[in-house]
Amino acid sequence: KNEVEQSPQNLTAQEGEFITINCSYSVGISALHWLQQHPGGGIVSLFMLSSGKKKHGRLIATINIQEKHSSLHITASHPRDSAVYICALIQGAQKLVFGQGTRLTINP
Amino acid sequence: DAGVIQSPRHEVTEMGQEVTLRCKPISGHNSLFWYRQTMMRGLELLIYFNNNVPIDDSGMPEDRFSAKMPNASFSTLKIQPSEPRDSAVYFCASSPRGGGDTQYFGPGTRLTVL
Repeated sequence: KNEVEQSPQNLTAQEGEFITINCSYSVGISALHWLQQHPGGGIVSLFMLSSGKKKHGRLIATINIQEKHSSLHITASHPRDSAVYICALIQGAQKLVFGQGTRLTINP
Repeated sequence: DAGVIQSPRHEVTEMGQEVTLRCKPISGHNSLFWYRQTMMRGLELLIYFNNNVPIDDSGMPEDRFSAKMPNASFSTLKIQPSEPRDSAVYFCASSPRGGGDTQYFGPGTRLTVL
């Protein structure tokens, strides 16, 4: 079993829909990253969180350490949100373990 | 700030050749990470440095891979000899204080080994 599982693997939605991407993990972590990889390949760090919830614009990330689960939500989705979203576990001070990613496509 | 700079952006080489990938982290960042991304395995951490010192190289696939960070503003990832299965996108990232801090990724180097 992988240490980190993302779901769904692929998600297609219409512009304006509320999007949820899930990340479940089976190991102890110190924190968790959500990354966004654009169609051109560039990677951007969206959030780093170790508890509770963080919000940035239309993006919201939550984490439940006891349940070993994190979610990334996008409100009022837009075609420019189309990307691969990757959950990464932070183990200890430095080591990152990556999920396989969720490919999101938002149609106009 | 220019962000993390990687060179070359694309590299095509023949099996057996030596390949050197280069990375300039963001000025002032203390940690540097090398990642590899393939369709089959996704993103994988190869090695990371803290204050120019390699901390964990357990992700380096084999002895053909080596990484150095001679100073705070430059790192290299070398593959010698290269093999077709090394074809991937190699990302470098830096962070102010380590993996628990926000990481800033370079644009990546797409390596193709024929």
